[in-house]
Amino acid sequence: AQSVSQHNHHVILSEAASLELGCNYSYGGTVNLFWYVQYPGQHLQLLLKYFSGDPLVKGIKGFEAEFIKSKFSFNLRKPSVQWSDTAEYFCAGSGGGADGLTFGKGTHLIIQP
Amino acid sequence: DTGVSQDPRHKITKRGQNVTFRCDPISEHNRLYWYRQTLGQGPEFLTYFQNEAQLEKSRLLSDRFSAERPKGSFSTLEIQRTEQGDSAMYLCASSLTVSNEQFFGPGTRLTVL
Repeated sequence: AQSVSQHNHHVILSEAASLELGCNYSYGGTVNLFWYVQYPGQHLQLLLKYFSGDPLVKGIKGFEAEFIKSKFSFNLRKPSVQWSDTAEYFCAGSGGGADGLTFGKGTHLIIQP
Repeated sequence: DTGVSQDPRHKITKRGQNVTFRCDPISEHNRLYWYRQTLGQGPEFLTYFQNEAQLEKSRLLSDRFSAERPKGSFSTLEIQRTEQGDSAMYLCASSLTVSNEQFFGPGTRLTVL
């Protein structure tokens, strides 16, 4: 069965710290991977996506993610976080002949000033 | 605003009543998706349409749930004989076929008393 798992449900960092949020997927065949962010009181927004090609993808607001096929991983990174990055982050995937997204449970990120 | 819109934003109903939600996708998007999100979880896929055709349905979509997209534009999601377990945020998303990059609406929060 298709699945996406996120390792950390709650992460607290100080401003300027580096961020890495883990995501692992389980799909057969071609997979499309996404990271979405949900700021407080707002709806889901796409941060970045991987379909094919360069496994290192860059998104908005300085985020990037690396697709590592051998590890079934698609971790999200940011070298220096800001207070405004406080939000819920969701990893999601589609593939295996299904177009609906499968989401992880999310990581609640809190950045302390 | 040219994003995905949903109506109503909030709905409170009594157990056993029927409710209907509406989603208006981004105008040129031919795919429309419905998801459900409960507290502490990521969104769960329910169903999706390509134009007016319903192409995929999750096992989560019980026979009390029905979705339509009669003219390939807006969509409705109806829940009959609501149960307390139906309380959740119902999210709509739209995309172009070629990209599967899904843009989400603000959601309809359903509370079943």
